[in-house]
Amino acid sequence: DADVTQTPRNRITKTGKRIMLECSQTKGHDRMYWYRQDPGLGLRLIYYSFDVKDINKGEISDGYSVSRQAQAKFSLSLESAIPNQTALYFCATSAANEAFFGQGTRLTVV
Amino acid sequence: GENVEQHPSTLSVQEGDSAVIKCTYSDSASNYFPWYKQELGKRPQLIIDIRSNVGEKKDQRIAVTLNKTAKHFSLHITETQPEDSAVYFCAALGNKLVFGAGTILRVKS
Repeated sequence: DADVTQTPRNRITKTGKRIMLECSQTKGHDRMYWYRQDPGLGLRLIYYSFDVKDINKGEISDGYSVSRQAQAKFSLSLESAIPNQTALYFCATSAANEAFFGQGTRLTVV
Repeated sequence: GENVEQHPSTLSVQEGDSAVIKCTYSDSASNYFPWYKQELGKRPQLIIDIRSNVGEKKDQRIAVTLNKTAKHFSLHITETQPEDSAVYFCAALGNKLVFGAGTILRVKS
């Protein structure tokens, strides 16, 4: 679904490096989310945003920060990456009666 | 906070049998309930959804039921096929989109 685009799709980075994952959408949705998925596990909410001025922590926000640069853009940053942040990251958007996912970013921290 | 509980965590069925996955949500403001199918390494794909003003919705072999009073909703897959094997997630959208923990469905041929 090209309506929600994540970049990069895959990234390998070293421990201690700063990395940014980007998400952009053409759905016109106000709400955007970042989730993390570890192998064999479900989707855990990192941060979510209701609009440009409204950012909220999810259940696992420690070690992460976000920026909602515009309605269509929501980026996730790891200020100092650590190996246990190796995971599959998904961006999602929602409106009242629909929700869409990006393709995912596979991040490996070595 | 809002949460969604999903059961069972794993489900094995024989090809042709039915599979049922159940979810319970806590946020009374939830008004949209999507179900996603996720294959290994891929994004969750929407397979069916239901809105709060509807009690049941069916799409071919897949149906979803919603009981708003009890805050329960369920996914029913009939005549299961091997290609139905995947991880299934329920979700509830109220103030935010909250997911269940997922169900690994294995259809044995």
